[in-house]
Amino acid sequence: GAGVSQTPSNKVTEKGKYVELRCDPISGHTALYWYRQSLGQGPEFLIYFQGTGAADDSGLPNDRFFAVRPEGSVSTLKIQRTERGDSAVYLCASSLIGGTGWSNTEAFFGQGTRLTVV
Amino acid sequence: DQQVKQNSPSLSVQEGRISILNCDYTNSMFDYFLWYKKYPAEGPTFLISISSIKDKNEDGRFTVFLNKSAKHLSLHIVPSQPGDSAVYFCAASAGGGTSYGKLTFGQGTILTVHP
Repeated sequence: GAGVSQTPSNKVTEKGKYVELRCDPISGHTALYWYRQSLGQGPEFLIYFQGTGAADDSGLPNDRFFAVRPEGSVSTLKIQRTERGDSAVYLCASSLIGGTGWSNTEAFFGQGTRLTVV
Repeated sequence: DQQVKQNSPSLSVQEGRISILNCDYTNSMFDYFLWYKKYPAEGPTFLISISSIKDKNEDGRFTVFLNKSAKHLSLHIVPSQPGDSAVYFCAASAGGGTSYGKLTFGQGTILTVHP
């Protein structure tokens, strides 16, 4: 597709359940990022993939959160034993990384998945 | 620890006038700065960026100014249009190595442009 696609757009789950959020980046973009945006706040970095590997996962809040990108394209963010505090909009972004030019770093965001834990 | 701060939660401007959105940062390792615009139910959209080797970057109606000594940047929109009404996020990156492209965002400023 032309842009970053995230599914589902909305997800309501019960406390304690497991959820998976999917991100389909722009074709050819090697870098992929997950962010979380709570109400009234800016997006908060979670994890960054370069290709298939997680280059930086320092933003994952705890071990209930895990993300994979097995083939270097689609990524899945997995949240175990969800808590009400996990409720937020989860944003995925991708960018084209090539050489050292900063013009390759602009990240293009998807519309997000709104997760509500009840 | 909020490393990127947008101290004005909202700004209201008349159509045709200038909109000035401000952003302060604390991390001296930041060397690349971006502004994103966000409409409701959409993801943030890249607007304009500036590297730390410059103090100004202009793109049409949008100009970003960077004052490194003050750790301050601003976005100027001239003339403002009703379609510019959105949430504006300032973001910064330290670049290099594994943090390449990792962004730290401010809290956002809601801009409303009145016809």
